[in-house]
Amino acid sequence: GAVVSQHPSRVICKSGTSVKIECRSLDFQATTMFWYRQFPKQSLMLMATSNEGSKATYEQGVEKDKFLINHASLTLSTLTVTSAHPEDSSFYICSAARDRDTDTQYFGPGTRLTVL
Amino acid sequence: GESVGLHLPTLSVQEGDNSIINCAYSNSASDYFIWYKQESGKGPQFIIDIRSNMDKRQGQRVTVLLNKTVKHLSLQIAATQPGDSAVYFCAETLNQAGTALIFGKGTTLSVSS
Repeated sequence: GAVVSQHPSRVICKSGTSVKIECRSLDFQATTMFWYRQFPKQSLMLMATSNEGSKATYEQGVEKDKFLINHASLTLSTLTVTSAHPEDSSFYICSAARDRDTDTQYFGPGTRLTVL
Repeated sequence: GESVGLHLPTLSVQEGDNSIINCAYSNSASDYFIWYKQESGKGPQFIIDIRSNMDKRQGQRVTVLLNKTVKHLSLQIAATQPGDSAVYFCAETLNQAGTALIFGKGTTLSVSS
């Protein structure tokens, strides 16, 4: 159990377009989901914390109008990169905290975004 | 086996050796720590965790040591295998619902046959 999926796994888009990435908890309810970004050969950096039914909390330096997060249900959070630019090219990873678990997070497989 | 006193970005070992990967965490209030393994192009995979009321925890072929005095965490892998080759990250957090993980710098472990 405790599987988290992401879709798509890989996406290539043109500069100026928007891209939506989905994060789903397949067999559990996730009150909280987290979005991370990872540049090549670097660590995971937290972008935002997404709580079901409320606005996401963004980390300092992350533009909320550029990285739109929606957590409409207990099993789905979406990250939309708006007006993507080449510098947004990165590996985006989500994780989900199982409802009632205080600390265990389950990671998705990641989404590779390439902006041309 | 190889041991590293300070964090190094890479560690190369021979198959069968013991590996030790170190991590310094930042927040003295953190009370839950996790080691993750990440293979190329994939998400982090849980290896082992430890809470702040412990200083050692063992799993299958892996041991995590926690030194809260100096805010240091280490991961020991016994009898390292080629399949252990990956990037290893430590992460810290508070033991509270909805608290995000803070990842340390990774160490790339390369295991040669």
